[in-house]
Amino acid sequence: AQKITQTQPGMFVQEKEAVTLDCTYDTSDPSYGLFWYKQPSSGEMIFLIYQGSYDQQNATEGRYSLNFQKARKSANLVISASQLGDSAMYFCAMREGFGLYEKLTFGTGTRLTIIP
Amino acid sequence: DTGVSQDPRHKITKRGQNVTFRCDPISEHNRLYWYRQTLGQGPEFLTYFQNEAQLEKSRLLSDRFSAERPKGSFSTLEIQRTEQGDSAMYLCASSPGGTDTQYFGPGTRLTVL
Repeated sequence: AQKITQTQPGMFVQEKEAVTLDCTYDTSDPSYGLFWYKQPSSGEMIFLIYQGSYDQQNATEGRYSLNFQKARKSANLVISASQLGDSAMYFCAMREGFGLYEKLTFGTGTRLTIIP
Repeated sequence: DTGVSQDPRHKITKRGQNVTFRCDPISEHNRLYWYRQTLGQGPEFLTYFQNEAQLEKSRLLSDRFSAERPKGSFSTLEIQRTEQGDSAMYLCASSPGGTDTQYFGPGTRLTVL
């Protein structure tokens, strides 16, 4: 089974609108962390936001927020007031076994295009 | 504080040749990770170092691949006898510790003809 599933290969959103990028995950470990990265066409993976499995509140970083629904095993990224510079690939990733494993497992990504 | 740097950014080689990539992590980050990303996929873990010790290797890392971090600072990833299937983006990341966020470099794009 896929550990990280991103079901939206591509999305088109009007500038200034909010957008939600979906991510579901699969793990039996009670300790894990969830990450979102942005990858522009230049190729560099840019860290956006992190949510730990024991965090009580949803993570927020500026225009980015993470809608964490633990029972549903989903960790959707919400971008408010989208900008043209938000056009990029977005990857959800998970690190399992807090302190035991360090590798990140990534989904296949969502290509977001912001329309002026 | 400079970010993770990788060299070269692009490499084109012929099948059967050896190639070596370099990664310079953020200073004082003791963790260094290598990932490979093929077209249309997310990055896949290859290996990681804590200082100079290589602590985990993926099954993706065949015998033709070797990684080193001799002084616990920069790292090199060598691919011997390259194959067309090795064509990918090779990404390096670093973090201060194992439970911290990993920060990625710009990647090295390898094309094997």
